[in-house]
Amino acid sequence: GNSVTQMEGPVTLSEEAFLTINCTYTATGYPSLFWYVQYPGEGLQLLLKATKADDKGSNKGFEATYRKETTSFHLEKGSVQVSDSAVYFCALSGLYNFNKFYFGSGTKLNVKP
Amino acid sequence: KAGVTQTPRYLIKTRGQQVTLSCSPISGHRSVSWYQQTPGQGLQFLFEYFSETQRNKGNFPGRFSGRQFSNSRSEMNVSTLELGDSALYLCASSRIGDSSTDTQYFGPGTRLTVL
Repeated sequence: GNSVTQMEGPVTLSEEAFLTINCTYTATGYPSLFWYVQYPGEGLQLLLKATKADDKGSNKGFEATYRKETTSFHLEKGSVQVSDSAVYFCALSGLYNFNKFYFGSGTKLNVKP
Repeated sequence: KAGVTQTPRYLIKTRGQQVTLSCSPISGHRSVSWYQQTPGQGLQFLFEYFSETQRNKGNFPGRFSGRQFSNSRSEMNVSTLELGDSALYLCASSRIGDSSTDTQYFGPGTRLTVL
């Protein structure tokens, strides 16, 4: 079956530190992979996505590369800001699954000034 | 362009009651999905509708149901509420429900508390 595993949080970093949030997946076929972010009191916002192996998604300084050989989609950012504090969710959706997403448990990021 | 709207934002019910939640998708979006978010189980897919037809569903009991209207607005209903149904219910919409080409946009959610 399909599932997503992401690192436990919370992750606490100082401003301008390097961020990595690990995400691995199990899926049949060739899923699309996503990172969503949830700010307090809000719904989820798409951060980036990749639809095939070796694709790199990027947005707002965040990047993630679809690694089929390691079934991973780790999120990275070179220099975090206080405004990046939020909960980050890794997710996958299978082909023709009509937006049936499988989400990881979420990783809370706290960035200190 | 207006985002996905959900009403009501907060709801308090007692065990055994039923509840109806509403979702208005972004204009032009025909696919609407529903998710349940709880601290213990995380985000779980409930069902997806397109053109008034349910195309996919998750592993929830029959007490959870939904429908979609001709204007793409969607409602979900939970009957015979249980304490464990307390959650944030998120609605998401996209153009046609193809995750490889569409972007799924989420609403702010309805916070349901069952007492």
